[in-house]
Amino acid sequence: GQQVMQIPQYQHVQEGEDFTTYCNSSTTLSNIQWYKQRPGGHPVFLIQLVKSGEVKKQKRLTFQFGEAKKNSSLHITATQTTDVGTYFCAGPPGVSWGKLQFGSGTQVVVTP
Amino acid sequence: EAQVTQNPRYLITVTGKKLTVTCSQNMNHEYMSWYRQDPGLGLRQIYYSMNVEVTDKGDVPEGYKVSRKEKRNFPLILESPSPNQTSLYFCASSPTAGSGNQPQHFGDGTRLSIL
Repeated sequence: GQQVMQIPQYQHVQEGEDFTTYCNSSTTLSNIQWYKQRPGGHPVFLIQLVKSGEVKKQKRLTFQFGEAKKNSSLHITATQTTDVGTYFCAGPPGVSWGKLQFGSGTQVVVTP
Repeated sequence: EAQVTQNPRYLITVTGKKLTVTCSQNMNHEYMSWYRQDPGLGLRQIYYSMNVEVTDKGDVPEGYKVSRKEKRNFPLILESPSPNQTSLYFCASSPTAGSGNQPQHFGDGTRLSIL
């Protein structure tokens, strides 16, 4: 079945630096969602990408959906301490609209 | 305030003692889902429900049951809990799951420890 893989699993960033986390699926995705989970909290929806090659920005966060709709990335510029948390991508396998598979997440630690 | 409410937030229990984790949403959402979160594995879907009386298995349904008798409630039942079900559980809802998935709203989580 489909697998959603995320790398890196862990990212240690100096405040002010940029970093990117990647999400790869073994099958084509109809859409991909990104969530952020703060330590001790619950996942919070960030964005959804639907179109091939789509790029969306939210302030310092840039989300990209690959041309083949099998991968996605989240790039954060000028990292701040408020960016601490785990970032998950999630996508529906095949045409099963009810199912949602999450990547294993990228845990981000920011050093002031 | 729009929210997904899970109870209890924490539970320590013993193997074999049936338990129910409740989930309720006040947003009139059609779609609800249960996930478990384990270190290094992300969130794995247990069961989901597209609407009242419609439920289906996710990726890890073994050992769990659900029901959806009312739109707002989606309880997760562990008939005979075992230690490998020790985990952090999240309930989530979204307006619908048709025409592609929609953003999910998550509850605050329930931490279960099965001894």
